Amino acid sequence: NAGVTQTPKFQVLKTGQSMTLQCAQDMNHEYMSWYRQDPGMGLRLIHYSVGAGITDQGEVPNGYNVSRSTTEDFPLRLLSAAPSQTSVYFCASTSGRLDADTQYFGPGTRLTVL
Amino acid sequence: GNSVTQMEGPVTLSEEAFLTINCTYTATGYPSLFWYVQYPGEGLQLLLKATKADDKGSNKGFEATYRKETTSFHLEKGSVQVSDSAVYFCALSLHGSSNTGKLIFGQGTTLQVKP
Repeated sequence: NAGVTQTPKFQVLKTGQSMTLQCAQDMNHEYMSWYRQDPGMGLRLIHYSVGAGITDQGEVPNGYNVSRSTTEDFPLRLLSAAPSQTSVYFCASTSGRLDADTQYFGPGTRLTVL
Repeated sequence: GNSVTQMEGPVTLSEEAFLTINCTYTATGYPSLFWYVQYPGEGLQLLLKATKADDKGSNKGFEATYRKETTSFHLEKGSVQVSDSAVYFCALSLHGSSNTGKLIFGQGTTLQVKP
């Protein structure tokens, strides 16, 4: 199993550009999440999904869109990038079963918005 | 609201020293508690977890005990190694189907172990 994969690893954008961060998992997990990591703030939840076709907002959703058309994939879209979105983005998944609430994280995407 | 507070870093220790990283939480109900570790340039990996009061999680020589009375989940290791240098995150998740897949993280504590 590859686990949780993310692409790209690094990205530089100009203000106003759009892009999609890709996330995929091969563990048949129902639950997937996107977090952003900023210095001194830990990780904060952007959006999450409890299954294909179902998404919801986390703590910091503004400026980001998500969709979940398949169990495996959970892309994160930045419609109009802003410097405040410079961060490291992590995708995570979990089966959500009782006593199996461990989240598995991807390697991250480091995004810089100029 | 629900939150996690960790001791500020960085923490710098010599090899074989004793490690404590403090973590306290505020939560409605009784959450599950986690310690995640992030090695340089990598994603987060689960280090250990505890799902109810008085449970002790342990892994790779690290341990933490879920203390309901002090709302704490301090991370300890008796003898650290250079390879333990990383960022450590304390986190909680609330029970219930509406909370599955959501973690609330502390700020992270950077540990540097010198030979």
